[in-house]
Amino acid sequence: EDQVTQSPEALRLQEGESSSLNCSYTVSGLRGLFWYRQDPGKGPEFLFTLYSAGEEKEKERLKATLTKKESFLHITAPKPEDSATYLCAVQAGSGGYQKVTFGIGTKLQVIP
Amino acid sequence: DGGITQSPKYLFRKEGQNVTLSCEQNLNHDAMYWYRQDPGQGLRLIYYSQIVNDFQKGDIAEGYSVSREKKESFPLTVTSAQKNPTAFYLCASLATNTGELFFGEGSRLTVL
Repeated sequence: EDQVTQSPEALRLQEGESSSLNCSYTVSGLRGLFWYRQDPGKGPEFLFTLYSAGEEKEKERLKATLTKKESFLHITAPKPEDSATYLCAVQAGSGGYQKVTFGIGTKLQVIP
Repeated sequence: DGGITQSPKYLFRKEGQNVTLSCEQNLNHDAMYWYRQDPGQGLRLIYYSQIVNDFQKGDIAEGYSVSREKKESFPLTVTSAQKNPTAFYLCASLATNTGELFFGEGSRLTVL
């Protein structure tokens, strides 16, 4: 069974204090690893897709990296508007069906 | 604008009543998904559909039903058989070339 574990469950940072969120996974036949941002009461919003170990993607203050067993979302000098829940998901499977499994998320709070 | 539209945003239901949540997309995506999100838990897959007139059970399908008569529409019915229906429901469609899921804004169902 595919599993996605995110840590920590909650993280409180001072504005400008850099940190990393972790996503470890166990899947058979990884097709892609995804990061989403979710604001309270809203649907998740796509951030990054990573396909293979060693790959990195960046967007503003966020940088996602991937190894064979985990992914990190690095947040550099965060601002209060970065406060949200960050979800990690993996896509696996063969053939036409592409199952996507989500972690429970890391709730990030950035304090001014 | 292209996207996923869910309605209603908020819904209250008495015990024993069925309720249908609407999900419409204009992204021309073949695959659509319904997820349920509860506090402290990740998104859990209820049903998915890869093509019109075809759908499959996800991990927590009991007490739910769906139909896929049109490519654009994937409504979810929460039946009276669902023991704990109060939750946040998210509909999504899949961009098969990137694996990215596009989410609606969600429907919050409360059973009184």
